[in-house]
Amino acid sequence: DIVMTQSPDSLAVSLGERATVHCKSSQSVFYTSNNKNYLAWYQQKPGQPPKLLFHWASTRESGVPDRFSGSGSGTDFTLTISSLQAEDVAVYYCQQYYSTPKTFGQGTKVEIK
Amino acid sequence: QVQQEQWGAGLLKPSETLSLTCGVSDDSMTSSSYWWGWIRQPPGQGLEWIGEINHSGSTNYNPSLRSRVTLSADTSKKQFSLKMTSVTAADTAVYYCARVVVPFGEAHYFDYWGQGARVTVSS
Repeated sequence: DIVMTQSPDSLAVSLGERATVHCKSSQSVFYTSNNKNYLAWYQQKPGQPPKLLFHWASTRESGVPDRFSGSGSGTDFTLTISSLQAEDVAVYYCQQYYSTPKTFGQGTKVEIK
Repeated sequence: QVQQEQWGAGLLKPSETLSLTCGVSDDSMTSSSYWWGWIRQPPGQGLEWIGEINHSGSTNYNPSLRSRVTLSADTSKKQFSLKMTSVTAADTAVYYCARVVVPFGEAHYFDYWGQGARVTVSS
Protein backbone atom coordinates (compact mmCIF):
# COMPACT_ATOMS: atom_id res chain seq x y z
CA ASP A 1 0.00 0.00 0.00
CA ILE A 2 1.09 3.58 -0.63
CA VAL A 3 1.33 5.39 2.69
CA MET A 4 0.35 9.05 2.67
CA THR A 5 1.85 11.18 5.43
CA GLN A 6 0.69 14.74 6.05
CA SER A 7 2.41 17.45 8.03
CA PRO A 8 1.75 19.09 10.31
CA ASP A 9 -1.08 17.29 12.08
CA SER A 10 -2.54 20.68 12.93
CA LEU A 11 -1.72 24.32 12.42
CA ALA A 12 -3.13 27.63 13.61
CA VAL A 13 -2.88 30.61 11.28
CA SER A 14 -4.08 34.18 11.66
CA LEU A 15 -6.87 35.39 9.44
CA GLY A 16 -5.48 36.64 6.15
CA GLU A 17 -2.22 34.75 6.56
CA ARG A 18 -0.92 31.82 4.51
CA ALA A 19 -1.59 28.22 5.53
CA THR A 20 0.48 25.39 4.05
CA VAL A 21 -0.25 21.67 4.32
CA HIS A 22 2.23 19.05 3.16
CA CYS A 23 1.57 15.54 1.89
CA LYS A 24 4.23 12.94 1.18
CA SER A 25 3.65 9.57 -0.47
CA SER A 26 5.75 6.49 0.26
CA GLN A 27 6.26 6.01 -3.48
CA SER A 28 5.80 8.21 -6.52
CA VAL A 29 2.22 8.79 -7.68
CA PHE A 30 3.37 10.33 -10.96
CA TYR A 31 2.28 8.36 -14.01
CA THR A 32 4.81 8.96 -16.79
CA SER A 33 2.54 7.74 -19.59
CA ASN A 34 0.19 10.71 -19.17
CA ASN A 35 2.39 13.08 -17.16
CA LYS A 36 -0.07 13.29 -14.28
CA ASN A 37 0.17 13.06 -10.52
CA TYR A 38 -2.55 10.80 -9.15
CA LEU A 39 -3.32 12.89 -6.08
CA ALA A 40 -6.44 14.62 -4.76
CA TRP A 41 -7.10 17.04 -1.90
CA TYR A 42 -10.28 17.20 0.20
CA GLN A 43 -11.66 19.59 2.79
CA GLN A 44 -13.82 18.27 5.63
CA LYS A 45 -15.70 20.60 7.92
CA PRO A 46 -17.16 19.32 11.21
CA GLY A 47 -20.21 17.12 10.73
CA GLN A 48 -19.90 17.19 6.94
CA PRO A 49 -18.59 14.77 4.33
CA PRO A 50 -15.31 15.59 2.62
CA LYS A 51 -15.41 17.98 -0.31
CA LEU A 52 -13.12 17.56 -3.32
CA LEU A 53 -10.80 20.55 -3.79
CA PHE A 54 -8.20 19.34 -6.30
CA HIS A 55 -7.48 16.37 -8.52
CA TRP A 56 -4.33 15.65 -10.55
CA ALA A 57 -2.61 17.44 -7.65
CA SER A 58 -3.29 20.94 -8.95
CA THR A 59 -6.56 20.98 -10.94
CA ARG A 60 -8.97 23.06 -8.88
CA GLU A 61 -12.60 21.94 -8.75
CA SER A 62 -15.28 24.32 -9.92
CA GLY A 63 -16.36 26.68 -7.17
CA VAL A 64 -13.21 26.33 -5.08
CA PRO A 65 -11.85 29.81 -4.28
CA ASP A 66 -8.60 30.69 -5.99
CA ARG A 67 -6.94 31.38 -2.63
CA PHE A 68 -6.56 27.58 -2.58
CA SER A 69 -3.77 26.10 -4.66
CA GLY A 70 -2.27 22.63 -5.06
CA SER A 71 1.27 21.88 -6.15
CA GLY A 72 3.98 19.25 -6.16
CA SER A 73 4.97 16.16 -8.08
CA GLY A 74 6.21 12.65 -7.54
CA THR A 75 6.13 12.09 -3.79
CA ASP A 76 5.83 15.60 -2.33
CA PHE A 77 2.74 17.76 -2.54
CA THR A 78 1.47 20.98 -0.99
CA LEU A 79 -1.93 22.53 -0.41
CA THR A 80 -1.72 26.28 0.15
CA ILE A 81 -4.37 28.68 1.36
CA SER A 82 -2.96 32.07 0.44
CA SER A 83 -5.14 34.15 2.75
CA LEU A 84 -6.93 32.14 5.42
CA GLN A 85 -10.61 32.92 5.90
CA ALA A 86 -12.82 31.87 8.80
CA GLU A 87 -14.75 29.48 6.56
CA ASP A 88 -11.54 27.59 5.74
CA VAL A 89 -11.36 26.07 9.23
CA ALA A 90 -11.47 22.35 8.48
CA VAL A 91 -9.46 19.16 8.26
CA TYR A 92 -7.67 18.68 4.95
CA TYR A 93 -6.83 15.27 3.48
CA CYS A 94 -4.70 14.17 0.57
CA GLN A 95 -5.52 10.95 -1.29
CA GLN A 96 -3.58 8.92 -3.82
CA TYR A 97 -5.35 7.07 -6.61
CA TYR A 98 -2.21 5.76 -8.32
CA SER A 99 -2.75 2.25 -7.02
CA THR A 100 -5.20 0.06 -5.15
CA PRO A 101 -5.98 0.37 -2.33
CA LYS A 102 -6.67 4.08 -2.57
CA THR A 103 -5.21 5.66 0.56
CA PHE A 104 -5.60 8.93 2.43
CA GLY A 105 -3.29 10.97 4.59
CA GLN A 106 -4.13 11.18 8.27
CA GLY A 107 -5.47 14.72 7.89
CA THR A 108 -4.29 18.20 8.87
CA LYS A 109 -6.50 20.36 11.05
CA VAL A 110 -6.39 24.05 10.12
CA GLU A 111 -7.55 26.51 12.76
CA ILE A 112 -7.58 30.25 13.34
CA LYS A 113 -4.86 31.65 15.60
CA GLN B 1 -25.85 18.24 -9.04
CA VAL B 2 -25.59 14.71 -7.74
CA GLN B 3 -27.14 14.17 -4.36
CA GLN B 4 -26.76 10.90 -2.54
CA GLU B 5 -28.83 9.61 0.28
CA GLN B 6 -27.68 6.78 2.49
CA TRP B 7 -29.72 4.51 4.70
CA GLY B 8 -29.24 1.38 6.82
CA ALA B 9 -29.09 0.09 10.38
CA GLY B 10 -27.10 2.31 12.75
CA LEU B 11 -26.58 -0.02 15.73
CA LEU B 12 -25.24 -3.53 15.35
CA LYS B 13 -24.01 -6.25 17.66
CA PRO B 14 -20.66 -7.97 17.12
CA SER B 15 -20.80 -10.69 14.44
CA GLU B 16 -23.83 -9.12 12.73
CA THR B 17 -23.89 -7.91 9.13
CA LEU B 18 -23.72 -4.24 8.24
CA SER B 19 -25.95 -3.22 5.32
CA LEU B 20 -26.06 0.24 3.79
CA THR B 21 -27.60 1.55 0.59
CA CYS B 22 -26.93 4.74 -1.31
CA GLY B 23 -29.35 6.32 -3.77
CA VAL B 24 -28.24 8.46 -6.69
CA SER B 25 -30.49 11.35 -7.66
CA ASP B 26 -29.51 11.75 -11.32
CA ASP B 27 -28.82 9.39 -14.23
CA SER B 28 -25.04 9.25 -13.83
CA MET B 29 -25.14 5.74 -12.36
CA THR B 30 -25.31 4.19 -15.83
CA SER B 31 -22.47 6.31 -17.17
CA SER B 32 -19.09 4.73 -17.88
CA SER B 33 -17.55 7.96 -16.57
CA TYR B 34 -18.24 7.01 -12.97
CA TRP B 35 -17.86 4.26 -10.45
CA TRP B 36 -19.55 4.19 -7.03
CA GLY B 37 -17.56 3.87 -3.85
CA TRP B 38 -17.63 3.48 -0.10
CA ILE B 39 -15.29 5.13 2.40
CA ARG B 40 -15.44 4.99 6.18
CA GLN B 41 -14.21 7.20 9.01
CA PRO B 42 -13.86 5.87 12.57
CA PRO B 43 -14.67 8.39 15.30
CA GLY B 44 -12.05 11.12 15.41
CA GLN B 45 -9.92 9.39 12.79
CA GLY B 46 -9.07 9.59 9.11
CA LEU B 47 -10.58 8.09 5.98
CA GLU B 48 -10.36 4.47 4.82
CA TRP B 49 -11.37 3.36 1.34
CA ILE B 50 -13.57 0.25 1.38
CA GLY B 51 -14.23 -0.43 -2.27
CA GLU B 52 -16.06 0.60 -5.43
CA ILE B 53 -18.38 -0.77 -8.09
CA ASN B 54 -19.45 0.26 -11.57
CA HIS B 55 -22.80 -0.03 -13.33
CA SER B 56 -21.85 -3.39 -14.82
CA GLY B 57 -21.04 -4.87 -11.42
CA SER B 58 -17.25 -4.81 -11.70
CA THR B 59 -15.68 -4.22 -8.31
CA ASN B 60 -12.47 -3.19 -6.59
CA TYR B 61 -12.01 -3.88 -2.89
CA ASN B 62 -9.56 -2.87 -0.20
CA PRO B 63 -7.61 -6.10 0.41
CA SER B 64 -7.79 -5.49 4.17
CA LEU B 65 -11.60 -5.78 4.07
CA ARG B 66 -12.18 -7.89 0.97
CA SER B 67 -13.06 -11.10 2.80
CA ARG B 68 -15.97 -9.44 4.61
CA VAL B 69 -17.27 -6.92 2.07
CA THR B 70 -19.67 -7.28 -0.84
CA LEU B 71 -20.74 -4.40 -3.06
CA SER B 72 -23.73 -4.49 -5.35
CA ALA B 73 -25.49 -2.09 -7.68
CA ASP B 74 -29.04 -1.81 -9.03
CA THR B 75 -29.07 0.72 -11.84
CA SER B 76 -32.84 0.42 -12.34
CA LYS B 77 -33.35 1.73 -8.81
CA LYS B 78 -30.31 4.06 -9.03
CA GLN B 79 -28.92 2.48 -5.87
CA PHE B 80 -25.73 0.77 -4.78
CA SER B 81 -25.13 -1.14 -1.57
CA LEU B 82 -22.50 -2.26 0.91
CA LYS B 83 -22.61 -5.42 3.01
CA MET B 84 -19.96 -6.16 5.62
CA THR B 85 -20.14 -9.40 7.56
CA SER B 86 -18.90 -10.34 11.04
CA VAL B 87 -18.61 -6.76 12.29
CA THR B 88 -16.66 -5.89 15.43
CA ALA B 89 -16.22 -2.72 17.46
CA ALA B 90 -13.38 -1.81 15.09
CA ASP B 91 -15.98 -1.33 12.34
CA THR B 92 -17.65 1.50 14.26
CA ALA B 93 -17.46 4.48 11.91
CA VAL B 94 -19.28 6.92 9.70
CA TYR B 95 -19.73 5.23 6.33
CA TYR B 96 -19.81 7.45 3.25
CA CYS B 97 -20.92 6.61 -0.24
CA ALA B 98 -19.32 8.61 -3.03
CA ARG B 99 -19.20 8.99 -6.78
CA VAL B 100 -15.83 8.04 -8.24
CA VAL B 101 -14.57 9.84 -11.32
CA VAL B 102 -13.19 7.65 -14.12
CA PRO B 103 -11.14 9.85 -16.47
CA PHE B 104 -9.02 7.15 -18.12
CA GLY B 105 -10.99 3.96 -17.63
CA GLU B 106 -9.96 3.47 -14.00
CA ALA B 107 -11.75 4.77 -10.93
CA HIS B 108 -9.84 7.59 -9.31
CA TYR B 109 -11.06 10.37 -7.04
CA PHE B 110 -14.36 11.10 -5.28
CA ASP B 111 -16.27 14.13 -6.51
CA TYR B 112 -19.60 13.82 -4.68
CA TRP B 113 -20.17 12.30 -1.26
CA GLY B 114 -23.25 11.18 0.62
CA GLN B 115 -24.01 12.76 3.98
CA GLY B 116 -22.66 9.72 5.84
CA ALA B 117 -24.26 6.99 7.93
CA ARG B 118 -23.10 6.47 11.48
CA VAL B 119 -22.72 2.80 12.39
CA THR B 120 -21.98 1.67 15.92
CA VAL B 121 -21.05 -1.89 16.81
CA SER B 122 -21.61 -2.68 20.46
CA SER B 123 -22.81 -5.58 22.52
